[in-house]
Amino acid sequence: DGGITQSPKYLFRKEGQNVTLSCEQNLNHDAMYWYRQDPGQGLRLIYYSQIVNDFQKGDIAEGYSVSREKKESFPLTVTSAQKNPTAFYLCASSRGSDTQYFGPGTRLTVL
Amino acid sequence: KNEVEQSPQNLTAQEGEFITINCSYSVGISALHWLQQHPGGGIVSLFMLSSGKKKHGRLIATINIQEKHSSLHITASHPRDSAVYICAVMEYGNKLVFGAGTILRVKS
Repeated sequence: DGGITQSPKYLFRKEGQNVTLSCEQNLNHDAMYWYRQDPGQGLRLIYYSQIVNDFQKGDIAEGYSVSREKKESFPLTVTSAQKNPTAFYLCASSRGSDTQYFGPGTRLTVL
Repeated sequence: KNEVEQSPQNLTAQEGEFITINCSYSVGISALHWLQQHPGGGIVSLFMLSSGKKKHGRLIATINIQEKHSSLHITASHPRDSAVYICAVMEYGNKLVFGAGTILRVKS
């Protein structure tokens, strides 16, 4: 079945540690996105990539980094520079400007 | 002021009621999306529309481009419709801007 997978579902991290969230899709989509969701707020775009080996900052990129070495994969690293990393992170992909398909999300908690 | 405003923020309905969720936006868009987020967190796309009206089962979405307004209607609501409904607009350049969501609870 085609879809987007994110792992892990729940992630705990100590302050000062970097952590990488996985996102894989087998939909053959060129575009992939990372969003952050906080209670009472709309999803906010962290980074997006429209093609392999290229990515662009979104609205809240500070403290995050990404790579896009393969079409299927778009991992997000939450660095120690991110001041408030506890949130729900969603990955999505699309074929161009078509409907975005979302993964199940990763809930990151910093202890 | 947020670019995308949804109302109401919270909505409780009795099973069988007709439900309307509204979305207003302030920017030029190429399309508008309605999304559904269940308690586990996963998001499903319900509709993408740029004009007129779309229907899928008991769900109907309408958009008025001139008034920059969209509505999502649920007919004969059911407890399984309980979820967060999110409006998102696609600005030119493929960027999605999201509303804060409407929390819907349908009681049996």
